[in-house]
Amino acid sequence: DTGVSQNPRHKITKRGQNVTFRCDPISEHNRLYWYRQTLGQGPEFLTYFQNEAQLEKSRLLSDRFSAERPKGSFSTLEIQRTEQGDSAMYLCASTYGQGLGKLFFGSGTQLSVL
Amino acid sequence: GESVGLHLPTLSVQEGDNSIINCAYSNSASDYFIWYKQESGKGPQFIIDIRSNMDKRQGQRVTVLLNKTVKHLSLQIAATQPGDSAVYFCAENIRKEGSQGNLIFGKGTKLSVKP
Repeated sequence: DTGVSQNPRHKITKRGQNVTFRCDPISEHNRLYWYRQTLGQGPEFLTYFQNEAQLEKSRLLSDRFSAERPKGSFSTLEIQRTEQGDSAMYLCASTYGQGLGKLFFGSGTQLSVL
Repeated sequence: GESVGLHLPTLSVQEGDNSIINCAYSNSASDYFIWYKQESGKGPQFIIDIRSNMDKRQGQRVTVLLNKTVKHLSLQIAATQPGDSAVYFCAENIRKEGSQGNLIFGKGTKLSVKP
């Protein structure tokens, strides 16, 4: 499968715990995006990388959230001290080129904070 | 604030009929628009896109129309099939200075196709 891959598919955690999600983009894609989606809503932009550089972060990305893309390939999104309001689907997407083109999304990681 | 929105949250059509899903946007700086389809438990899947210098674009069974005068976007699906049942999102790219921008999604329309 050469699509965007996200792991794990589901994560259940207790409030206050840290969680980390991984995204493997399509191999030749230089740009990688993280979105968050809650039930009944459209995805909300969190952050994006061009190669290994994190170029933009949303105001939604609080200090408890950190994303990395150390080698310009896979990316991780970590949430520290999780809160119940963090429960959502976390989507990763990738694309190539300089301008904004169509994003290819993974199937997401569903986070449930108890 | 400015946002992308949809006129109808749900749409039910008969198999074989044409479907039209509408979307209103309010940011005149938006230069690129995309329609995505999302099935339950899956990520959004690209359907069709259109740039602001166009007013119509056609794909396989789908057509996107852009009316910049009234800031309106629509997705037309011809001969709707049960496999088209999903939530459809329109998204706009709001270009900002020093940035390529990012996609802002609407809330989505749920399309149900009756056999």
